[in-house]
Amino acid sequence: AQTVTQSQPEMSVQEAETVTLSCTYDTSESDYYLFWYKQPPSRQMILVIRQEAYKQQNATENRFSVNFQKAAKSFSLKISDSQLGDAAMYFCAYRSAETGTASKLTFGTGTRLQVTL
Amino acid sequence: NAGVTQTPKFRILKIGQSMTLQCTQDMNHNYMYWYRQDPGMGLKLIYYSVGAGITDKGEVPNGYNVSRSTTEDFPLRLELAAPSQTSVYFCASSYYRSNNEKLFFGSGTQLSVL
Repeated sequence: AQTVTQSQPEMSVQEAETVTLSCTYDTSESDYYLFWYKQPPSRQMILVIRQEAYKQQNATENRFSVNFQKAAKSFSLKISDSQLGDAAMYFCAYRSAETGTASKLTFGTGTRLQVTL
Repeated sequence: NAGVTQTPKFRILKIGQSMTLQCTQDMNHNYMYWYRQDPGMGLKLIYYSVGAGITDKGEVPNGYNVSRSTTEDFPLRLELAAPSQTSVYFCASSYYRSNNEKLFFGSGTQLSVL
């Protein structure tokens, strides 16, 4: 079974600064997807960014980018120019790319990000 | 579009009571899921469905039942509620596998069993 580990329960960043959230995972599969989800106090789960394991290029979405190290099984999220609205819980998640697995995600325990003035 | 709609948003149950959490989606998605989120933890998959009439267990199915009689609806049934089932429950749906597949979440049901 796959596992996802987020070793930083809480992180803090000043507005306009850059912060990196860490995620490691364990799997024996070669093809899979990795995700970062944001959960603000409203509880809504919001997809931030998605990485396909067979793509070497790191995914980017505006101020959000990832550092995907497949051999090290590491998938960190970098938030640039942090904004107050970025304050939330961030979850790293794994999904097998095997046919028929649907979107069965395995989540990490989350990192709470605080953004200060 | 309403997306994924869950009802109720909050509920308090007594130990041993039963209830059904409702979930409906209006996007004609094949796949639907139920996750639970315990305090301070990530989401864990309870059950999922790949289409009407087909359901399968996830990581933590004990104490729950599901049915999928239509594409739109995927109710989650709790029988004999226990304090360990205190959690936030999320329903989600996704369309069939594709490079642009995306998971759509409902806003969650906060359940307390006392």
